[in-house]
Amino acid sequence: EVQLLESGGGLGQPGGSLRLSCAASGFTFSNYAMSWVRQAPGKGLEWVSSISGSGAITYFADSVEGRFPISRDNSKNTLWLQMNSLRAEDTAIYYCAKGYCTTGVCFFDYWGRGTLVTVSS
Amino acid sequence: DIVMTQTPLSSPVTLGQPASISCRSSQSLVHSDGNTYLSWLQQRPGQPPRLLIYKISNRFSGVPDRFSGSGAGTDFTLKISRVEAEDVGVYYCMQGTQFPLTFGGGTKVEIK
Repeated sequence: EVQLLESGGGLGQPGGSLRLSCAASGFTFSNYAMSWVRQAPGKGLEWVSSISGSGAITYFADSVEGRFPISRDNSKNTLWLQMNSLRAEDTAIYYCAKGYCTTGVCFFDYWGRGTLVTVSS
Repeated sequence: DIVMTQTPLSSPVTLGQPASISCRSSQSLVHSDGNTYLSWLQQRPGQPPRLLIYKISNRFSGVPDRFSGSGAGTDFTLKISRVEAEDVGVYYCMQGTQFPLTFGGGTKVEIK
């Protein structure tokens, strides 16, 4: 059974940092692209960032490029999102999502339950 | 960026009646590999999103057959043949053909 478990959310200061983690199980982690998708309170879904199965290729939304590096450790079946220079508009539930493909995402077949990030002073 | 436009914003439906959601993309979603990466997601209240349909018309594992997807190119439709109480929630279309990945704004399905 595929499981994705996010952690690391909480209260962050404007200009501060948080690091999100996603522990994956139930599939061959290195074979699939992984992504972060966020949802601001009461709003729709917004793609944040993706990383290929090998970790060699990364993609970012304009809103986070240069601030939120994405990384993965295939030996630990873990995905990370380092959130730097936090802004109030980064407040959202952050979901870890498994892509169907290896390099591109294609579509998200499994989602974690999410971790809430609140940016406020 | 590919813009995904969903209609309607809200769909009040009587139990047992059909529902239909439209999704239009601002450009073709046909990938260079020949596939069209248009998927539909369901988000029940308080839950994470869940994959319903992928590559336009393929039902994901465990999805009831009352859900169906159709379309081509830039116009796509999700249909629920007979709405049940558990179908209440917000439905999103999503394109996975080109980065940045984009979602429709969502359609709220509720019971009349």
